[in-house]
Amino acid sequence: KNEVEQSPQNLTAQEGEFITINCSYSVGISALHWLQQHPGGGIVSLFMLSSGKKKHGRLIATINIQEKHSSLHITASHPRDSAVYICAVQIQGAQKLVFGQGTRLTINP
Amino acid sequence: KAGVTQTPRYLIKTRGQQVTLSCSPISGHRSVSWYQQTPGQGLQFLFEYFSETQRNKGNFPGRFSGRQFSNSRSEMNVSTLELGDSALYLCASSWAPRRYNSPLHFGNGTRLTVT
Repeated sequence: KNEVEQSPQNLTAQEGEFITINCSYSVGISALHWLQQHPGGGIVSLFMLSSGKKKHGRLIATINIQEKHSSLHITASHPRDSAVYICAVQIQGAQKLVFGQGTRLTINP
Repeated sequence: KAGVTQTPRYLIKTRGQQVTLSCSPISGHRSVSWYQQTPGQGLQFLFEYFSETQRNKGNFPGRFSGRQFSNSRSEMNVSTLELGDSALYLCASSWAPRRYNSPLHFGNGTRLTVT
């Protein structure tokens, strides 16, 4: 079983819809990252969380440490949000990231 | 401020050859970490350097090695290339080692194809 599981693996939605991507992990962590990867490969770090909730523009990330679960929400989705979203956890006591398999999001106009 | 710069962007090598990839971190960042991304395995941690010292290493064979220079630029080397080494290699920089949970800044990657 992978230490980090994301769902769904693929998500297609219409422009304007509210999007939720989930990440569950099975290990103790010190932080969780949400990353965005566009075609071509470059990765942008969206959020780094260790507790609670963070918001940046139309993006919201939440984490529940007790339930070992995090969600990434996109409000008023737009075709430019189409990308692969990756959850990564910083394992407690270790110095490396472990990644989920990614969620491919497609927003149709 | 310039972002993380990786060179070259694309590379084609033959099995058995060796390759060196370069990563220049954001100015002031002293930690550089390297990752391999393949369609089958996804993103996997290779190693992390801070102040010219390797701080942690992922589960990769000894053919994968790296180093960091006094100006924080880092290189990774893969010797005796195998077809399975074909991947996107990404580096990320941050101002502190990973255990301090400092934000990561990724480069655009080097796409290595081994034929």
